[in-house]
Amino acid sequence: GAVVSQHPSRVICKSGTSVKIECRSLDFQATTMFWYRQFPKKSLMLMATSNEGSKATYEQGVEKDKFLINHASLTLSTLTVTSAHPEDSSFYICSARVRAGELFFGEGSRLTVL
Amino acid sequence: QQQVKQSPQSLIVQKGGISIINCAYENTAFDYFPWYQQFPGKGPALLIAIRPDVSEKKEGRFTISFNKSAKQFSLHIMDSQPGDSATYFCAARVAGGTSYGKLTFGQGTILTVHP
Repeated sequence: GAVVSQHPSRVICKSGTSVKIECRSLDFQATTMFWYRQFPKKSLMLMATSNEGSKATYEQGVEKDKFLINHASLTLSTLTVTSAHPEDSSFYICSARVRAGELFFGEGSRLTVL
Repeated sequence: QQQVKQSPQSLIVQKGGISIINCAYENTAFDYFPWYQQFPGKGPALLIAIRPDVSEKKEGRFTISFNKSAKQFSLHIMDSQPGDSATYFCAARVAGGTSYGKLTFGQGTILTVHP
């Protein structure tokens, strides 16, 4: 299957700082990427849809000023958690859609805010 | 109407047994039904997927059964192995639109296969 890489896999930051997570499609171009958040032993919650060259579409209840998404190229989307607080601690996962429609996920990024 | 309901929440199976996970949906606009396998601390991995014009799809020990009239689909894992112990998610996707590829996930099933 297609390869989607996320970086970093783990990040610990202090409350009030901003953290950037990168999502790359390694062997294909992805016009659309999706960002999910997952709490322990819970399902994946879609945060936003990221389209290359345009503004992201956020799901209801997701703060767009808190979670900044940029999809500047066909192989890279970034999620920046701004002014992070302990309640933002979570597992963030990106996914990318291949041309045939299948969705492949990155390895996830574990954010811990102290 | 966007929900996908998955059951059971957890499942314990002996090695060599059959694991069965069920999902049900309401939205008839869904056109693609994948199953994902997730190990702790990892992202979900696409396992197998089916489209509504097919009633069954088999790949190795994994089979999806699809009942369009009942709006239900299930994953069968034959000859279950301890290495299959993971969380399994069903999902569904609406055809087309600007959010093409956007998946709605089930609640997940924690599968434990005892040796």
